Amino acid sequence: DIQMTQSPSSLSASVGDRVTITCRASQSISSYLSWYQQKPGKAPKVLMYAASSLQSGVPSRFSGSASGTDFTLTISSLQPEDFATYYCQQSYSTPLTFGGGTKVEIK
Amino acid sequence: EVQLVESGGGLVQPGGSLRLSCAASGFTFSSYWMHWVRQAPGKGLVWVSRINSDGSSITYADSVKGRFTISRDNAKNTLYLQMNSLRAEDTAVYYCARLGEYTYGHPPGFDYWGQGTLVTVSS
Repeated sequence: DIQMTQSPSSLSASVGDRVTITCRASQSISSYLSWYQQKPGKAPKVLMYAASSLQSGVPSRFSGSASGTDFTLTISSLQPEDFATYYCQQSYSTPLTFGGGTKVEIK
Repeated sequence: EVQLVESGGGLVQPGGSLRLSCAASGFTFSSYWMHWVRQAPGKGLVWVSRINSDGSSITYADSVKGRFTISRDNAKNTLYLQMNSLRAEDTAVYYCARLGEYTYGHPPGFDYWGQGTLVTVSS
């Protein structure tokens, strides 16, 4: 199984901050990497797919990048509605696997 | 408008069975691969199973293999998850999710999710 190691597990940030979340795959997954945002009591929402493609309707302050087996989600200027938990997910091979999540909290 | 609506969750005793349904609308259901993902209370997301567009290809997580069965009825626009021999560790919110389409060769993510249905396995 491909392990997805996400870091940090939590972070505190202020509105306007630049936030970076990292996900490392245990083996090559090409660009089969998606990022999701989940708010309490709600279903996840896709932000990025194919590592760096912005899902339609998602604000452009979200961006994704890849370098080998390392993937990054960046929020360029954190907004109040961005406080949530973020997950990466690989779809390169089954079983599909998610990272452990990063909870972004208000500082 | 694309909608996925799960139903069928509830309280069941260990060893019992439950069938979840996911009613799809607003898109051509028969064209999409569908997945089940679960989330135990306070925990992260865990993939459970997937089925291709015509139901001919199915894959399960090892943790549910032999106990859960995914299926779909494209005439009824509905995805199912039959869960047998339920265990306490199967307690979770179960989401159905649609795998998006490849665009310009880029692999998609889960572009639509249901609201989830809670399954509680307890005596």
